[in-house]
Amino acid sequence: EVQLLESGGDLVQPGGSLRLSCAASGFSFSTFDMSWVRQAPGKGLEWVSVFMGSGDTTFYADSVKGRFTIYRDNSKNTLYLQMTSLRAEDSAVYHCAKGAWLDNWGQGTLVTVSS
Amino acid sequence: DIQMTQSPSSLSASVGDRVTITCRASQGIGSGLGWYQQRPGKAPRRLIYAASSLEGGVPSRFSGSGSGTEFTLTISSLQPEDFATYYCLQHNSFPYTFGQGTKLEIK
Repeated sequence: EVQLLESGGDLVQPGGSLRLSCAASGFSFSTFDMSWVRQAPGKGLEWVSVFMGSGDTTFYADSVKGRFTIYRDNSKNTLYLQMTSLRAEDSAVYHCAKGAWLDNWGQGTLVTVSS
Repeated sequence: DIQMTQSPSSLSASVGDRVTITCRASQGIGSGLGWYQQRPGKAPRRLIYAASSLEGGVPSRFSGSGSGTEFTLTISSLQPEDFATYYCLQHNSFPYTFGQGTKLEIK
């Protein structure tokens, strides 16, 4: 069974940094693309980033480009999202998902950016 | 970036009804579209990928169609557990983009 468990969400001040983690199990992690998607409270889904398994290629939403970095540690079956220069509008539940086409999702971790 | 326009934004229907949700892309995306269901307080769940391929374990009352710029999700006979919010996602080119969502409510 595919399991994705996000962690690292917290309350952080504007301009601050945070690193999210996603621990994966139940599938061959290193062979799959992995993604992050976020959802602000009461709002819709927003695609954030993907790490393509082949070639270590990454893509980002325009709203986070230059501030967020997606990376992975295949030895730990873990995906990460390093977030810097955080803004109030980055406040959301952040979900990791298996595959570029988001076939399985984790429950998410809450990030709140506020002073 | 490709914009996805989803309609309607909300929909009231009864158990047993047939409902259709539409997504339009601002430019052609071939068959690069998925549909996701999100129940309150839960993570989204993929229903359809590549416009018309049914995810394993998803009931056959769900179906997807379309290509290019216009796509539909159809639920042939609504069941109580289908009342949720539905999103489309274009997965043809980066950055991927979601539609605004359709909240399906019980009439």
